[in-house]
Parts: sequence; structure tokens; C-alpha cells
Amino acid sequence: NAGVMQNPRHLVRRRGQEARLRCSPMKGHSHVYWYRQLPEEGLKFMVYLQKENIIDESGMPKERFSAEFPKEGPSILRIQQVVRGDSAAYFCASSPDDWPGNIFGSGTRLTVV
Amino acid sequence: SQQGEEDPQALSIQEGENATMNCSYKTSINNLQWYRQNSGRGLVHLILIRSNEREKHSGRLRVTLDTSKKSSSLLITASRAADTASYFCATRPTGGGNKLTFGTGTQLKVEL
Repeated sequence: NAGVMQNPRHLVRRRGQEARLRCSPMKGHSHVYWYRQLPEEGLKFMVYLQKENIIDESGMPKERFSAEFPKEGPSILRIQQVVRGDSAAYFCASSPDDWPGNIFGSGTRLTVV
Repeated sequence: SQQGEEDPQALSIQEGENATMNCSYKTSINNLQWYRQNSGRGLVHLILIRSNEREKHSGRLRVTLDTSKKSSSLLITASRAADTASYFCATRPTGGGNKLTFGTGTQLKVEL
């Protein structure tokens, strides 16, 4: 079991470009979460998805950010027209139906230049 | 201030000593979890304590939960240099679905 896989590990984008972050949950996990971590801070919840459904997006910025978890393939966090303030580490986590903890991926470190 | 605040922000101890970290939160919770994060890495789940539990052990870890004070503590006994990391508490609110609310973390440094 490969765990939660995120790619890329590091992503550099110029201001105004789009960033696409991918997350494959652990095998057997149907719940996916995205969190953002700014330097020297804790993680902030962004969005919670199950297959083909957004369950809770209360932590997502209203504009430029979107997430999906299609029937086939990884979950995608998409940031359009990136700005310097989007620079952060983005972590994906997954959980099974019968356990409330989160298993985390290694994160994608986004740098906007 | 946010749900889940750890105290102290930073802690430096000698190898072999015990390390105690505290966490306070604001809302009713279903459970509270502790995670470890090594520099530049993802988070590793350490231990989960449910709202109807008061104490839990796992190896060198001991967690307590006081729901009346909305606080928890993590004790690491006989610390090792490899325990050097940031430690975060995370709460799963009652009726809040499966998302976790993280505190700002305690940076633990264990010196030889």
C-alpha cells in the first residue's frame, strides 16, 4: 500500500499561471481532504471530497481555487491565476469509512514567483 | 485565536527527559488527534483520543483529554533526538464532518 501520493513535490509558477496539484488517496480510502500550510503555521482545512462530490468546501477561497475528485483518477486542487500569497505547502489526506484520522501525503510546495 | 492552540510554541530538552505539550480548543469535539511533522515533510498520525476517553497510551506517548476544560496534553517519555519535530493537535468537531482543525503546533527539539 503506497500511502497517499501527491505530485509534484515542488511546483514553481509565475504570477498569473495555473497550478494543478494531484493527490491519490490510499487504497480503500474514499474520503479526501486538502489542507494548506503557510510557513511556521499549522494546517488550515480547505476542502473535503468524496468520489465525484464536494462535501465541505468551507475553507476554500471564493475565487480562483477549485477541487475535484473524479470517479477515475486522482483528486485535483486547481489554483487559477496564482499570486504570491498562494505560495505554501498543500497537503492532501485521506481516510477510510471506519476511522476518523487522516493519513497525509508528503505535500506539494508551491512557489509563486 | 483559533481552535486548537498548542503550548508551548517551542520546547528544548535533553535526550532522556520527558516532553509535555498542551493543546486547548474552543468547540465541542468528537475526538482529538496528535500529529508529528518533521521539517519539510507531511504529517504523521500519532494517537487519537475520543471525547468519552480521558487518557490513552501508545508506546512512549501518553495523551490526556479534559473536555470540561477543553484541553489535552501529549507526554513523550524518555525522549530521543529522533523525536525532534513539530507536534500538532487536531480536533474533529461534533457534527463537523471529517475535517480536522489544527493548532499552530509545538516545535520540540531534543538535544543529545
